[in-house]
Amino acid sequence: DGGITQSPKYLFRKEGQNVTLSCEQNLNHDAMYWYRQDPGQGLRLIYYSQIVNDFQKGDIAEGYSVSREKKESFPLTVTSAQKNPTAFYLCASSIWGMNTEAFFGQGTRLTVV
Amino acid sequence: AQSVTQLDSHVSVSEGTPVLLRCNYSSSYSPSLFWYVQHPNKGLQLLLKYTSAATLVKGINGFEAEFKKSETSFHLTKPSAHMSDAAEYFCVVSDLTGSARQLTFGSGTQLTVLP
Repeated sequence: DGGITQSPKYLFRKEGQNVTLSCEQNLNHDAMYWYRQDPGQGLRLIYYSQIVNDFQKGDIAEGYSVSREKKESFPLTVTSAQKNPTAFYLCASSIWGMNTEAFFGQGTRLTVV
Repeated sequence: AQSVTQLDSHVSVSEGTPVLLRCNYSSSYSPSLFWYVQHPNKGLQLLLKYTSAATLVKGINGFEAEFKKSETSFHLTKPSAHMSDAAEYFCVVSDLTGSARQLTFGSGTQLTVLP
């Protein structure tokens, strides 16, 4: 089955630690995205990538970093500079084009302890 | 800049009655519009999309939406609610900003279905 796999489903981080969230897709999509979801605020774009070895900041990139070394993979690192990292993180992918929908993973819930 | 406004943060209906979830958008270009559904602690699933073809769009699970350019609206409807429809619904607009494709999400509407 084609799709997007995010891991882990739940992640706990101590303050001051960096953590990496995994996102893998086998849909052969060029574009991949990371969103942050907080209650009552919809989804906010953190980073996106149109092609391998290229990525762009979204609306709330501070405290996050990404890499795109392979077409299938787009990991997100939440650094210690992110002051309020507790949230639900969603990865998505799409064909690069105006009229194409994004496909979403099942999400990772990150909690700072 | 594009934006999406979901006019109701919460909607409650009885099982078997119609559902109406309202969405208004603004966009500099002819946008693509989508409705997604999210069940608790899950990813988003596409319900339907509008891409400048027919203005009445049919989606999965009996949902449909009508694109009204004059009203800049894209409301989601279903004739008869089912308990399994209880979830959060997001209206999304897709537009081009420079060379970048941007998806802008509404803040969501939580649908409750009462027995």
